Amino acid sequence: LAKTTQPISMDSYEGQEVNITCSHNNIATNDYITWYQQFPSQGPRFIIQGYKTKVTNEVASLFIPADRKSSTLSLPRVSLSDTAVYYCLVVSGNTGKLIFGQGTTLQVKP
Amino acid sequence: DVKVTQSSRYLVKRTGEKVFLECVQDMDHENMFWYRQDPGLGLRLIYFSYDVKMKEKGDIPEGYSVSREKKERFSLILESASTNQTSMYLCATRWDGNTGELFFGEGSRLTVL
Repeated sequence: LAKTTQPISMDSYEGQEVNITCSHNNIATNDYITWYQQFPSQGPRFIIQGYKTKVTNEVASLFIPADRKSSTLSLPRVSLSDTAVYYCLVVSGNTGKLIFGQGTTLQVKP
Repeated sequence: DVKVTQSSRYLVKRTGEKVFLECVQDMDHENMFWYRQDPGLGLRLIYFSYDVKMKEKGDIPEGYSVSREKKERFSLILESASTNQTSMYLCATRWDGNTGELFFGEGSRLTVL
């Protein structure tokens, strides 16, 4: 299963767009890319999942280039409540196996 | 909405005690998982289950066992708790598929003295 690499931490200000990039060089053909958000003292919560190109939902957008070796989670106009840890995962479409990495701690400042 | 309920948010146990962590889900999901989360190590999979009475070892099963007698309930058992099992334990569920989203409970913070 492909290992993911993402920045340990990021800072932003309220109202800005935040882009968190994740690399997954060894992604396999049947693997999907998934992002989760975790607040302190809570379990992770699913944000978005994609296979290729662009996926958008009411919370975020996910951009995946043609080679699928990286992906970018885009959070539009962040607020203080978006301060959390964001995990990028590769999920095997064959086995369902997934691995949580260290995640990116996003700090949104006023 | 899917509801995943973990029986205890906080537990304090002594070394050598038997510990039961219960997880109940209300959405008829086939798959259930137990993770532990530690600072600097992220979430690590302990055990998972794809169906009643079925279980599979995850990445760190040593010192743990599980039970799934009913579809909605997945229990994590520490036969003889040790201090290195002090951690946050998270239960998750997923419908019958490989790429569906995981739904997590609130977590159970276990301290072993």
